[in-house]
Amino acid sequence: ETGVTQTPRHLVMGMTNKKSLKCEQHLGHNAMYWYKQSAKKPLELMFVYSLEERVENNSVPSRFSPECPNSSHLFLHLHTLQPEDSALYLCASSQVQETGISGNTIYFGEGSWLTVV
Amino acid sequence: GQSLEQPSEVTAVEGAIVQINCTYQTSGFYGLSWYQQHDGGAPTFLSYNALDGLEETGRFSSFLSRSDSYGYLLLQELQMKDSASYFCAVRDSGGYQKVTFGTGTKLQVIP
Repeated sequence: ETGVTQTPRHLVMGMTNKKSLKCEQHLGHNAMYWYKQSAKKPLELMFVYSLEERVENNSVPSRFSPECPNSSHLFLHLHTLQPEDSALYLCASSQVQETGISGNTIYFGEGSWLTVV
Repeated sequence: GQSLEQPSEVTAVEGAIVQINCTYQTSGFYGLSWYQQHDGGAPTFLSYNALDGLEETGRFSSFLSRSDSYGYLLLQELQMKDSASYFCAVRDSGGYQKVTFGTGTKLQVIP
């Protein structure tokens, strides 16, 4: 148990579907992230929310839409995805210090396995 | 931009010592971290080096040389449960929580 919970763990969706991934952190952190993990590729940072404000959007296609309603919850809304979007999507959190520089540790959830058919 | 290189696979014998290397190129540098990920699991934090030298945490040690843009993770007294993927990651100065990960090294521990 990492303190970061993701649902669903597995999702299969068609290219015309709309679905959402949900993440909740129980660590009292003030920053949350979405990463994409594909086979044989580095973990790719998608979005960062710090103090509920999006501070990083790493050139992610608009078919991925994040939402951070509060510091404990993060969503990734999915629509009209492509088969190449099939991957493990990891949510994470950390504690950002007042200087805006985060702590050294990022805490990951176990991920949501997404398959686009 | 940032890039990190690490070997894709390493095999070692139970009880032995293994070293996983990481070289990086980054436009600013705050520290090098190591994460472990078992198949089907979440990446979990192992260690962090901001300054040159060796950091030891139990069976695991991590080393950093900023002048060489190089670090390594040393695993001693290998156990079967150490079979996992190991990622190095760098924090740079280009944003709030800009952490870039390497492609990972899959470690297989054999009896």
